Amino acid sequence: NAGVMQNPRHLVRRRGQEARLRCSPMKGHSHVYWYRQLPEEGLKFMVYLQKENIIDESGMPKERFSAEFPKEGPSILRIQQVVRGDSAAYFCASSPGLADGYTFGSGTRLTVV
Amino acid sequence: QQQVKQSPQSLIVQKGGIPIINCAYENTAFDYFPWYQQFPGKGPALLIAIRPDVSEKKEGRFTISFNKSAKQFSLHIMDSQPGDSATYFCAARYRGGSEKLVFGKGTKLTVNP
Repeated sequence: NAGVMQNPRHLVRRRGQEARLRCSPMKGHSHVYWYRQLPEEGLKFMVYLQKENIIDESGMPKERFSAEFPKEGPSILRIQQVVRGDSAAYFCASSPGLADGYTFGSGTRLTVV
Repeated sequence: QQQVKQSPQSLIVQKGGIPIINCAYENTAFDYFPWYQQFPGKGPALLIAIRPDVSEKKEGRFTISFNKSAKQFSLHIMDSQPGDSATYFCAARYRGGSEKLVFGKGTKLTVNP
């Protein structure tokens, strides 16, 4: 049973480009969470999604960031017009429902140059 | 405003020692307190978790102590090993919400042979 799969593992973008981060949850998991981790910091919640629905996006920046979890396929975190401050590790986690704890993927490390 | 305060920032112990990592919170809306272990380049992995109606929980060499009145909880690692060298994060989850977690800033633990 594969864990939470994130790709790419590393992503380099120039300022102003778009970044697309993908997350395939564990089999049977319908809840997906995205977190951002800045260097030497803890993880910060960004968004919680279920299939085709955004449940809680209270941690998402108001501009340039969006997320989706379509009926088919992985969840996508999209960052438009990236800036240097977007450089961070982005982690996805999934759970089968409103259960205790969830499983994180290995993350996508975004570097904006 | 840091909702979950974690200390120390870094910790060095000898093999066999008992490192203790402390966390404090203010928000009484939290109902679940997990600890995560993270190795470099990897995602956080759930280590152990506790609910506020329990004062202590043990799993193997890991113990959580919880003081509800003081709003503090701590992780103890018994008989620590060099393989325990990692960054440890405490977290807290909002009750009745979207399952989002608020993380501490992390403690980098080094266990010397």
